[in-house]
Amino acid sequence: QQQVKQSPQSLIVQKGGISIINCAYENTAFDYFPWYQQFPGKGPALLIAIRPDVSEKKEGRFTISFNKSAKQFSLHIMDSQPGDSATYFCAARDFNKFYFGSGTKLNVKP
Amino acid sequence: GAGVSQSPSNKVTEKGKDVELRCDPISGHTALYWYRQRLGQGLEFLIYFQGNSAPDKSGLPSDRFSAERTGESVSTLTIQRTQQEDSAVYLCASSLQGARMNTEAFFGQGTRLTVV
Repeated sequence: QQQVKQSPQSLIVQKGGISIINCAYENTAFDYFPWYQQFPGKGPALLIAIRPDVSEKKEGRFTISFNKSAKQFSLHIMDSQPGDSATYFCAARDFNKFYFGSGTKLNVKP
Repeated sequence: GAGVSQSPSNKVTEKGKDVELRCDPISGHTALYWYRQRLGQGLEFLIYFQGNSAPDKSGLPSDRFSAERTGESVSTLTIQRTQQEDSAVYLCASSLQGARMNTEAFFGQGTRLTVV
């Protein structure tokens, strides 16, 4: 059973547009929700993270929105750029174990 | 080193051979994770170490897979009698201990294993 469900599987956005990736979970013990960005041939790298006592966190063009009651969180990429084209993974931590979503392949068209 | 180091970066092996994949975590990181990533797929959890003990081995797909860790240092993932279905990128990550810390998991570059 997948602990963190991520959608969509792939996403195409025009340059300058907004990219939105959604994740949902069931385990209320999760206490930390990071997003990772992965370029081809590289390991995932932390992009931005949020704790469940915060509803939104913004870092530059990247924003996490967190809805604790709905057990959902999402990544918004504003003013999407071709350099943002990568695979994005949401994750959730239960104590020291991280559970990852299945990934979203983002393609930003010039 | 500054980051998580994995070796080899690429490994091609014949079906039926054993392989060893190595991970050097960030110094001081007590938690270490192994994940498998098949082509175009997400991260599949394999095993988690806290220090040199493995409280969660639930992701190991079969008894051909095993892993060990020396203290809070190097970990080795061993795959015996490799099968073509084992072909994937094997990722290692490490993090600081602590449920109340904003401790991210830092990933290595991965080892791309190809079984022919």
